[in-house]
Amino acid sequence: AQTVTQSQPEMSVQEAETVTLSCTYDTSENNYYLFWYKQPPSRQMILVIRQEAYKQQNATENRFSVNFQKAAKSFSLKISDSQLGDTAMYFCALRNNAGNMLTFGGGTRLMVKP
Amino acid sequence: ETGVTQTPRHLVMGMTNKKSLKCEQHLGHNAMYWYKQSAKKPLELMFVYSLEERVENNSVPSRFSPECPNSSHLFLHLHTLQPEDSALYLCASSQGARGQSPLHFGNGTRLTVT
Repeated sequence: AQTVTQSQPEMSVQEAETVTLSCTYDTSENNYYLFWYKQPPSRQMILVIRQEAYKQQNATENRFSVNFQKAAKSFSLKISDSQLGDTAMYFCALRNNAGNMLTFGGGTRLMVKP
Repeated sequence: ETGVTQTPRHLVMGMTNKKSLKCEQHLGHNAMYWYKQSAKKPLELMFVYSLEERVENNSVPSRFSPECPNSSHLFLHLHTLQPEDSALYLCASSQGARGQSPLHFGNGTRLTVT
């Protein structure tokens, strides 16, 4: 079984500042993939960033980057230069290489304040 | 039109009704999914269809019946639902049903059972 935990139900950040969303997970597999999805009020889940567990280098996509700590089973998302459009629910997710199930965390609601 | 399209966007139905949710993907993917998103709960995988297999979450009640006539279309047939089935139902697709393939989601159908 695999689990994903997001311990911050809600967070807020001032526009242009940096915020970090936490995610921890548990899996018995050694080869897996981690994802961060964003769900704005429009309801569509949008892929933000993904990380292969076998890669040590942290993934980066423009203002979004991750801090992947494999030994600690931690996968946090850092948003730099926060924008009002970043306001959304953010979900961390895990998928084993051999499995077809994408397991989601409970989500963190992020509010970017002007 | 591109991406993953779900209809209807909103649906209100009584417990004795029969209705269907529709999902269509225009991404050339070969795997499709139904997820249930309830308030204050993690996303729950209901069904997966791929070239290789159909997988279902054994905890999904039989009043939910999926149908996947081809790789581009996915339906969720609903009958004799309960009020606790009220939720956002998200459809997703991916290229392959395993590993690093990210899921692409539709905007969801907001279902209310009265």
